[in-house]
Order: sequence, then structure tokens, then C-alpha cells
Amino acid sequence: QVQLVESGGGGVQPGRSLRLSCVTSGFIFSDYAMHWVRQAPGKGLEWVAVIWHDGSIKYYGDAVKDRFAISRDNSKNTMYLQMNSLRAEDTANYFCAREEIGTDGVYFQHWGQGTLVAVSS
Amino acid sequence: SYVLTQAPSLSLAPGQTATITCGANNIESRSVYWYQQKPGQAPVLVVYDNSDRPSGIPERFSGSNSGNTATLTISRVEAGDEADYYCQLWDSSSDVLVFGGGTKVTVL
Repeated sequence: QVQLVESGGGGVQPGRSLRLSCVTSGFIFSDYAMHWVRQAPGKGLEWVAVIWHDGSIKYYGDAVKDRFAISRDNSKNTMYLQMNSLRAEDTANYFCAREEIGTDGVYFQHWGQGTLVAVSS
Repeated sequence: SYVLTQAPSLSLAPGQTATITCGANNIESRSVYWYQQKPGQAPVLVVYDNSDRPSGIPERFSGSNSGNTATLTISRVEAGDEADYYCQLWDSSSDVLVFGGGTKVTVL
């Protein structure tokens, strides 16, 4: 069965960096685009970034553009999120999700359980 | 890019019909997706491509998309349907994925 497992979260001071990982299994990782989605405590879902199946194309949400970098290693079935210049407002549970292609869009049927990032001095 | 507007909350009694809306200009031109999220859990897809249901999702969940409003309808609401519901679409003109703000459904 499809499994997505995030790790790498924790407490970090503002301005510092953190790298999240999403280890996957149960499907051919290199066939799928992958996304990061976050959720601040008590708030709604916010899309962070997407990376194409081969890593050739990446898009970011406005809130993280120029600070975060998404990447993947298809030989390790793993996706990453390098988070730099962290701010208090980046505090959130970070989910990885596998992209599914709809008739006119993309969506998520498989999610990880998330890893919590807390940015505080 | 798109801004998806959802009412923050909705309260209703068991057996009633929940109508959860997601508004945006000309939203009917995009496919809309709906998720259910319970506290402490990852979201679960309940409707895709405006009105299709994934396997395992009860027929009580249905979706539609017309004009400036996409709608998720939950018929004969049960206590187990109490959750946050989010709409979502891919904005291909800006290459961004957008979520609505979410609607908290409370079953009294």
C-alpha cells in the first residue's frame, strides 16, 4: 500500500534552516509529482510547493518562494523540503502528498501524517 | 490567482443536509476537489473532478460546480461527518494550487 512518511521537523530559531524528508513506498515514486502542504496550528491548509516526477519543474507558494527549495531523489524514493530563513509564521504541520491527475487539475488521495515545525526564539 | 471563499462554520442536526460552498469568479471553468479533515488527522479526499467520489466514500457525499460556486453536499448528516472541509483547485494560469479557507461542520 502507498505510504508517505515525513520526518525532520522540530523546534528551530527564527532565521535558521531545517530540512524535511518524505520517504515513500508502495508505488513507483518516479512516476508521480509530489507536493508539500502545511497547516499552521488551528488554521487551514496551505499549499507550499510541487516538484515534477523527474524533478525538472518546481513551483512554490508565494509565502515560501525564494526561501524554501523542494527536491527529490528518485533512487531513494524520497522528497525533501529545504527551509531557509525560517519565520514564526512558518510554524506548521508539514504534510507531503502524492499528486493525482484529474480532468482539469491535480489533487491528493495519499498524504503523510505530517511533521511539525515550530519556529520560535 | 484564485481565492476560494468558504463559510467558516456550519452547524446542523443529525439527518439534515449540509451544503458547503466554495466561491470564486468563474470557478466552473476549473475542476474542484474536496477534502474532509478530522482533528489530528491528514485530510481525506471525498470528491474529485467536481462530482466524483473515491471508492469508500459514502453516496451521501456529492459535489457540483456551476457559475461562481462549487458545492459539497452531505445528505443525512451523521455525527461522524463532523470535521473541517476544504475545497481545492489547481490554478494553471499561475501554476499554484489553492485551498479554500475551510468550513467547520458541527453536528449538534
